[in-house]
Amino acid sequence: SQQGEEDPQALSIQEGENATMNCSYKTSINNLQWYRQNSGRGLVHLILIRSNEREKHSGRLRVTLDTSKKSSSLLITASRAADTASYFCATDAMGGNKLVFGAGTILRVKS
Amino acid sequence: DAGVIQSPRHEVTEMGQEVTLRCKPISGHNSLFWYRQTMMRGLELLIYFNNNVPIDDSGMPEDRFSAKMPNASFSTLKIQPSEPRDSAVYFCASSPGRRQWGPQHFGDGTRLSIL
Repeated sequence: SQQGEEDPQALSIQEGENATMNCSYKTSINNLQWYRQNSGRGLVHLILIRSNEREKHSGRLRVTLDTSKKSSSLLITASRAADTASYFCATDAMGGNKLVFGAGTILRVKS
Repeated sequence: DAGVIQSPRHEVTEMGQEVTLRCKPISGHNSLFWYRQTMMRGLELLIYFNNNVPIDDSGMPEDRFSAKMPNASFSTLKIQPSEPRDSAVYFCASSPGRRQWGPQHFGDGTRLSIL
């Protein structure tokens, strides 16, 4: 089974609203990454948070990590139509040797 | 700076034919990854190279699949013979680090349809 699982599977919001996506994982990790995938394109790396970090910001993105709950959240503030995409979390299990991607959250931002 | 370049972008072929997908990683990146994405199984790692050497090919589904990296700027993924269940989007990604843990840079994929 996948290491990371995103929630919700799909999210539809109005432009200007905030979007929150969650990721849960099963085993201890070294770091957790978030990626965006626009339709018909490859994945684009957004942000990496290490296991000893709790929060990280990048522009309108805010990522939190709670290792006790084995979960992470991605917040996109003041969303834009251009944020419409699928968002994936990816984790590398401690002692593991591969980056495992979740199933993704499909975000639609309506203008 | 050019990103990861994959070719072809689309491939439609008949069952039993040989398919070759190509990838040019970002210059200077040491690691290269081949992934397959389907609706049913999501994004799966097929094989991972570091410094042109295959490190982990446990994701390669069958002997029909093979991958090579003859030099630091080129890799191929070959399917022979192809089957309809191989239909998927195949991505190549590269990373500057030795391990898989760092950010990966993806190409735009090859959409493969096996009839």
